[in-house]
Amino acid sequence: AQSVTQPDIHITVSEGASLELRCNYSYGATPYLFWYVQSPGQGLQLLLKYFSGDTLVQGIKGFEAEFKRSQSSFNLRKPSVHWSDAAEYFCAVDTSGGSNYKLTFGKGTLLTVNP
Amino acid sequence: DGGITQSPKYLFRKEGQNVTLSCEQNLNHDAMYWYRQDPGQGLRLIYYSHIVNDFQKGDIAEGYSVSREKKESFPLTVTSAQKNPTAFYLCASSKGANQETQYFGPGTRLLVL
Repeated sequence: AQSVTQPDIHITVSEGASLELRCNYSYGATPYLFWYVQSPGQGLQLLLKYFSGDTLVQGIKGFEAEFKRSQSSFNLRKPSVHWSDAAEYFCAVDTSGGSNYKLTFGKGTLLTVNP
Repeated sequence: DGGITQSPKYLFRKEGQNVTLSCEQNLNHDAMYWYRQDPGQGLRLIYYSHIVNDFQKGDIAEGYSVSREKKESFPLTVTSAQKNPTAFYLCASSKGANQETQYFGPGTRLLVL
């Protein structure tokens, strides 16, 4: 069965430090990959997505992610974290062959930013 | 402004009661989805609809029902058969069903009295 693993439940970084959130997936073919962010009590906002092409994807708010097929990973990065980045981050995988109805989500990584 | 609205923000259910969560979008999207989110968990798909008057079960459809009579509306009913309904419910929509980004509403928190 397809699955998405976010190994880190909670990460704490200092403001201005770099950030990397990990995401691994289990799927036979190349999936479509997404990162979403959720502020407390809110809906999800898309940060970036990868369908094909360049494996380094740029998103909103200064985030980027790199698809590594050999490692089945799609890690999210930001060079310098801002206090407003504190939120929960979800990696999601579309394993429906592009039909997009079957998004499988990881359990999320909660990011705390220290001043 | 275009977007997805969900109401109410908080909803309380009594034992044996059916409750309906509203989801409306003015994005002219064809596809709509309902997810359930529990603390420390990801999102799990309840139902989805790619076109008016058609919908499909997701991974956890038992105890839930939906309708899609209008393109802009996709209400979710939590029936009395759902024994553990306390959760955060998120509605999403996408322009189509192929390689389209899903956009999410603000969510409804359902609590059991």
